[in-house]
Amino acid sequence: GAVVSQHPSRVICKSGTSVKIECRSLDFQATTMFWYRQFPKQSLMLMATSNEGSKATYEQGVEKDKFLINHASLTLSTLTVASAHPEDSSFYICSARWSGPGDTQYFGPGTRLTVL
Amino acid sequence: AQSVTQLDSHVSVSEGTPVLLRCNYSSSYSPSLFWYVQHPNKGLQLLLKYTSAATLVKGINGFEAEFKKSETSFHLTKPSAHMSDAAEYFCVVSGANDMRFGAGTRLTVKP
Repeated sequence: GAVVSQHPSRVICKSGTSVKIECRSLDFQATTMFWYRQFPKQSLMLMATSNEGSKATYEQGVEKDKFLINHASLTLSTLTVASAHPEDSSFYICSARWSGPGDTQYFGPGTRLTVL
Repeated sequence: AQSVTQLDSHVSVSEGTPVLLRCNYSSSYSPSLFWYVQHPNKGLQLLLKYTSAATLVKGINGFEAEFKKSETSFHLTKPSAHMSDAAEYFCVVSGANDMRFGAGTRLTVKP
């Protein structure tokens, strides 16, 4: 099956620093990628939809200036958490949409962000 | 708008007994529906998906789900639970541009 990677898998940073998370589709091209956030023992919440070559579409309540998304190529999307604070600590998961038969999203393994 | 409701936050079964995880959906058009499994500290794994073909969908690891339009349901079943099935399960509805996740059901399997 299709593979989506995320890097890093885990990051710990000090409050006020910016953190970049990469999401790559390894064996297919993804015109659309999605970013989710998951709090402990809770479901995934869609943060934004990222389309290659255009601005991301953010869900209501998600600060676009805090969570910067770039989808520069058909295989790479990045999420930058700007000036991270402890409340931004969470599990961030990306997915890439394969536009072939079945039209399935494939999920990355997630990135655990801890802001001290 | 579309959404899914997972009717049980926690299901506990004994090993070797059947599993039933319930999901109801709401969609203004014919939906695509998915079940994903998430093991602790792991990513999401696709179990199965429904995309308007056969209403009974067979997935991996012996799981299957039946799409019932009249009941707006997409319940996940397995005839015999295994210890390795213990995990969090998410029912998901997909639209043109996004996926909406249910709250999740934690499956516990007792020896």
